[in-house]
Amino acid sequence: QITLKESGPTLVKPTQTLTLTCTFSGFSLSTSGVGVGWIRQPPGKALEWLALIYWNDDKRYSPSLKSRLTITKDTSKNQVVLTMTNMDPVDTATYYCAHIADYGDAFDIWGQGTMVTVSS
Amino acid sequence: DIQMTQSPSTLSASVGDRVTITCRASQSISSWLAWYQQKPGKAPKLLIYKASSLESGVPSRFSGSGSGTEFTLTISSLQPDDFATYYCQQYNSYFVTFGPGTKVDIK
Repeated sequence: QITLKESGPTLVKPTQTLTLTCTFSGFSLSTSGVGVGWIRQPPGKALEWLALIYWNDDKRYSPSLKSRLTITKDTSKNQVVLTMTNMDPVDTATYYCAHIADYGDAFDIWGQGTMVTVSS
Repeated sequence: DIQMTQSPSTLSASVGDRVTITCRASQSISSWLAWYQQKPGKAPKLLIYKASSLESGVPSRFSGSGSGTEFTLTISSLQPDDFATYYCQQYNSYFVTFGPGTKVDIK
């Protein structure tokens, strides 16, 4: 059974760097074809894809946020970490991590999400 | 970048209705499209992948069709549990894009 869980601060100040950790079980990021993505959702708004990382360390970022994002994996800990620099109140959102399906970059299993508020 | 649009943005329907939601891509994405259902306060749930393949465990009243730039999600007979927001997502290009969502509410 695949599960994912996001963790990190619930409140960050403007200009600070956000670090979120996705801890997963039921699969390994050292297995060929496996990947994990990050998606966020501001309150009352639509889903927005942020980044993906694959078993071979291939990384992809949203073009609009690329300069602010870094995604890494720790295979031994079964974790994926997303950092976002220069946080702004518009970055207030629920942040989700999700497992990438075997049949393409659809997200078949999602974490519960973690709400991050950006405020001074 | 590939842009996704959905119509309508809101749909009011009754239990038992046949419901159709349309998703359009700004350029061809072949069949690399997924549909998700999201309820308030919950993570999205994958319903359909590769435009028309039903995810395991998803009721057969959900179906998807289309290819290229135009896609539809159909609920054959709307059930009380189906009132939610539905998102399409393309995964044809190097980047992933979600649509803006369609809220299905009670008429």
